Amino acid sequence: AQTVTQSQPEMSVQEAETVTLSCTYDTSENNYYLFWYKQPPSRQMILVIRQEAYKQQNATENRFSVNFQKAAKSFSLKISDSQLGDTAMYFCALDSTLKLVFGAGTILRVKS
Amino acid sequence: DTAVSQTPKYLVTQMGNDKSIKCEQNLGHDTMYWYKQDSKKFLKIMFSYNNKELIINETVPNRFSPKSPDKAHLNLHINSLELGDSAVYFCASSPGETSEDSSTDTQYFGPGTRLTVL
Repeated sequence: AQTVTQSQPEMSVQEAETVTLSCTYDTSENNYYLFWYKQPPSRQMILVIRQEAYKQQNATENRFSVNFQKAAKSFSLKISDSQLGDTAMYFCALDSTLKLVFGAGTILRVKS
Repeated sequence: DTAVSQTPKYLVTQMGNDKSIKCEQNLGHDTMYWYKQDSKKFLKIMFSYNNKELIINETVPNRFSPKSPDKAHLNLHINSLELGDSAVYFCASSPGETSEDSSTDTQYFGPGTRLTVL
């Protein structure tokens, strides 16, 4: 069975500061993909960043970067220079069998 | 241009009714999905279709019947609606094997349909 765990139900950060959201996962597959999706109050699911498990280099997308620790099965998301528009629910997700398995989500609030 | 679209965005109906949610993607993707997000925001896959063929059915009650008339459309029909069916339903698509890069598994989501059963 594949599982994704997000241990932080809620977090808050001051505007312009950096925040890290945690995610751990479990899978017996060797080839898989990991994702972070953002869901703002509009409820749209927006892809933030993606990581292939076979790549050692951590993915980055502008202010968003990941710390992928394959041996530890850890996949954290770092948001630099936080902006008010980053306020949303963030979901970590694992794909190894043609379906996404999601964590429970972390609500991130960016304060001005 | 909308990549993955769903209609309707909101659906309010009575228990026992039958309703459908439509999904269309204009990305040329081979694979489409339905996910359910419950009141606690937990997301879980329901179905997956690849080129109009069912490949994943996650023990969803048979009151839910997906239909894929072509690879750009995946509709969800729900019979005899129950209170517990109230949720947000998301359609998604991914390139599948037609992708020329490694983005095969990246899924793109529609805006969601909020279903409320009274």
